[in-house]
Amino acid sequence: KQEVTQIPAALSVPEGENLVLNCSFTDSAIYNLQWFRQDPGKGLTSLLLIQSSQREQTSGRLNASLDKSSGRSTLYIAASQPGDSATYLCAAPRWGGATNKLIFGTGTLLAVQP
Amino acid sequence: KAGVTQTPRYLIKTRGQQVTLSCSPISGHRSVSWYQQTPGQGLQFLFEYFSETQRNKGNFPGRFSGRQFSNSRSEMNVSTLELGDSALYLCASSFRTGGETEAFFGQGTRLTVV
Repeated sequence: KQEVTQIPAALSVPEGENLVLNCSFTDSAIYNLQWFRQDPGKGLTSLLLIQSSQREQTSGRLNASLDKSSGRSTLYIAASQPGDSATYLCAAPRWGGATNKLIFGTGTLLAVQP
Repeated sequence: KAGVTQTPRYLIKTRGQQVTLSCSPISGHRSVSWYQQTPGQGLQFLFEYFSETQRNKGNFPGRFSGRQFSNSRSEMNVSTLELGDSALYLCASSFRTGGETEAFFGQGTRLTVV
């Protein structure tokens, strides 16, 4: 049974810092891993999707890596800005069967101080 | 192209009532999944529909039900509302089922049961 965990649960950094968010999963049999951002009371915004055959994906100041053998993914945010403050969630679809059910981590609450 | 649309955005209901939430997926997407998000439980999978068929169901009581129409729009219904049903309900849209495609979420419906 896939379990996804995220460390740290909360993070506060000053503006301009580079930071890394961690996501661990117990079952290396994954199709892909997706990172989301959620602002308070809002829906989830898809940031990056890494397919199981990929090692990295980049979008602007965001870079996500995937290491299936160690069961880890990291989200790197360069030159953080106050607007990056949000909760970041990682999720992997359940393996096997015709389903899109996502298994979510508990999220990292990020606060970027101006 | 238009994103995932959920209506209504906010709802206040009384215990014992029933409620219907609506989700219109991205045009061309045939898979719709529903999630419940609460501070204590995080994101929990409710059910998934593809081509009008329920493909997967989470561990929720029978008071929670859903359906999908031929145009891929989906509704979920909660009967005999309880205080614990207060949550943010999120809908996700994907092009196909099987866990290999990116999920896109709507802004959610905030349900408050009083």
